[in-house]
Amino acid sequence: AQSVTQLGSHVSVSEGALVLLRCNYSSSVPPYLFWYVQYPNQGLQLLLKYTTGATLVKGINGFEAEFKKSETSFHLTKPSAHMSDAAEYFCAVRNSGNTPLVFGKGTRLSVIA
Amino acid sequence: DGGITQSPKYLFRKEGQNVTLSCEQNLNHDAMYWYRQDPGQGLRLIYYSQIVNDFQKGDIAEGYSVSREKKESFPLTVTSAQKNPTAFYLCASSPWAVPNEKLFFGSGTQLSVL
Repeated sequence: AQSVTQLGSHVSVSEGALVLLRCNYSSSVPPYLFWYVQYPNQGLQLLLKYTTGATLVKGINGFEAEFKKSETSFHLTKPSAHMSDAAEYFCAVRNSGNTPLVFGKGTRLSVIA
Repeated sequence: DGGITQSPKYLFRKEGQNVTLSCEQNLNHDAMYWYRQDPGQGLRLIYYSQIVNDFQKGDIAEGYSVSREKKESFPLTVTSAQKNPTAFYLCASSPWAVPNEKLFFGSGTQLSVL
């Protein structure tokens, strides 16, 4: 079975500070990993995804994530937070194309001016 | 433009009433999904469909029903058996059997109980 754990339901950072959102996964086979962002009362948008190949993945809006198999982690980072980054972020995992995507419980990011 | 359309944006249900949430896509995707979102609970899968006239239960299917008569449409009915229906409902679609393909999401329907 596959599952995702996001550490911290709410993270607060100052504008310009490093953003670090944590995600650990459980999967019996090499996983496909995703980060999505959700702004209030909207659907989810893809930030980035890891499939195979390079373990450091770059996404939109300056975000990136590193796949670490030994730690079963896929943490999301951004060097400098902007006010517009305030949103909810979801990590998700899929084992194969024949299984639905499984989401973590989400982390709400607040950015303080 | 291609995308997913959910309607209505807001919906109110009376006690004992069934209500239906609409989801339409013009992306030519085989797979469609319904997720329920509650604060602090993330997205939980209700039903999904890989192909027309076929669908599977997700983790929280009780009190819900779906149909997939057309490739473009995947309506969700919240029945009176669902005792706690207040939530934000998200519909999504994707190609099937392509594991690295992202999900495309609609903008959601907020369901509340009167």
